[in-house]
Amino acid sequence: DAGVIQSPRHEVTEMGQEVTLRCKPISGHNSLFWYRQTMMRGLELLIYFNNNVPIDDSGMPEDRFSAKMPNASFSTLKIQPSEPRDSAVYFCASSSTLGREQETQYFGPGTRLLVL
Amino acid sequence: GQQLNQSPQSMFIQEGEDVSMNCTSSSIFNTWLWYKQDPGEGPVLLIALYKAGELTSNGRLTAQFGITRKDSFLNISASIPSDVGIYFCAPTGANNLFFGTGTRLTVIP
Repeated sequence: DAGVIQSPRHEVTEMGQEVTLRCKPISGHNSLFWYRQTMMRGLELLIYFNNNVPIDDSGMPEDRFSAKMPNASFSTLKIQPSEPRDSAVYFCASSSTLGREQETQYFGPGTRLLVL
Repeated sequence: GQQLNQSPQSMFIQEGEDVSMNCTSSSIFNTWLWYKQDPGEGPVLLIALYKAGELTSNGRLTAQFGITRKDSFLNISASIPSDVGIYFCAPTGANNLFFGTGTRLTVIP
């Protein structure tokens, strides 16, 4: 399996622009998670989906952030408009809800976002 | 709210030395995971612990799930340069991972 795939790996944009991050979970996994990592705050859960349905979005910082999962193999995290404080590494992770593996999340390589 | 303390925050060790790090939480968990993050990459699962008191090894790594289900430690024996990275404890339940602040390990050849 290719693992969790994220794109782009790096993104540099200007304040005010829209940013879209993409994720393809591991095939067969039915839970998907978006995290943000910064030096100051560490790893923070933004939102997670189960069977393509958003379950908990309490970690989404504000209305500028939105996430969708139109099907089992694709999710997007959008920031509009972006601000410099959004600069961080954004990780996508997926897991299966079957058996003992249900609580093990597998992470993608991350998208490094810099907002100027 | 739930509190998770991971220590130490950073370690500088000589190649060949053993390493120990631990996490304690204010809540009880049913599963405890340890991840490693290499520079520029996402966290990768190292060891998963599912039972209180469980001691599990994976090569040079050994981890234990505390009997109170509120703590865990990770040991690395005979460290090598590629052990460099950030190690995170991640107690978990109900599809939610709580990540520790990480232990940044530097191995000096």
